[in-house]
Amino acid sequence: GQNIDQPTEMTATEGAIVQINCTYQTSGFNGLFWYQQHAGEAPTFLSYNVLDGLEEKGRFSSFLSRSKGYSYLLLKELQMKDSASYLCAVLDSNYQLIWGAGTKLIIKP
Amino acid sequence: ETGVTQTPRHLVMGMTNKKSLKCEQHLGHNAMYWYKQSAKKPLELMFVYNFKEQTENNSVPSRFSPECPNSSHLFLHLHTLQPEDSALYLCASSQGLADTDTQYFGPGTRLTVL
Repeated sequence: GQNIDQPTEMTATEGAIVQINCTYQTSGFNGLFWYQQHAGEAPTFLSYNVLDGLEEKGRFSSFLSRSKGYSYLLLKELQMKDSASYLCAVLDSNYQLIWGAGTKLIIKP
Repeated sequence: ETGVTQTPRHLVMGMTNKKSLKCEQHLGHNAMYWYKQSAKKPLELMFVYNFKEQTENNSVPSRFSPECPNSSHLFLHLHTLQPEDSALYLCASSQGLADTDTQYFGPGTRLTVL
């Protein structure tokens, strides 16, 4: 079966750095997405990785290792507004998005 | 604002009611999606439409009936739902079905079935 694993919840301190991991087992791979979803709001696109390596976009970076079936989202200089759920999703060989259950990130002052 | 709107934002209905969820996208996209999001579970893809044609139906019960009159509008008609259908229903759109087409989501309709 197809599976996306990410931690259910994480807690971090304002101003710090946090890494949210995502591991996947899917039938094929055509890219991995990270989305941010604030409580009661729509998921919004953060990043897309299809090649190995690190993609940096401001305070957020996303890393992919296809051989390990592994990705992480790195958030630097955490702000209170970063409190949200972070969803990992993989495009399988049929170009269907397989979603993780999301990681709820709690930022404390 | 992502350019995708959904109405209503909240809906409470009995098991014998008939209601409809509406989604509208103002992005000029050609593909639209319905997802179900339950607490602490992955997003479940329900239906996909591309150029108004249904391309995906992920074994969704017939009590959910989608309608896509044009590329900008998507409806989900609900009838004789069950309490386990209570969830957040998200609509999304993308330029097409290509692998790099980012999906843009609406704010969702929080559905409670009594």
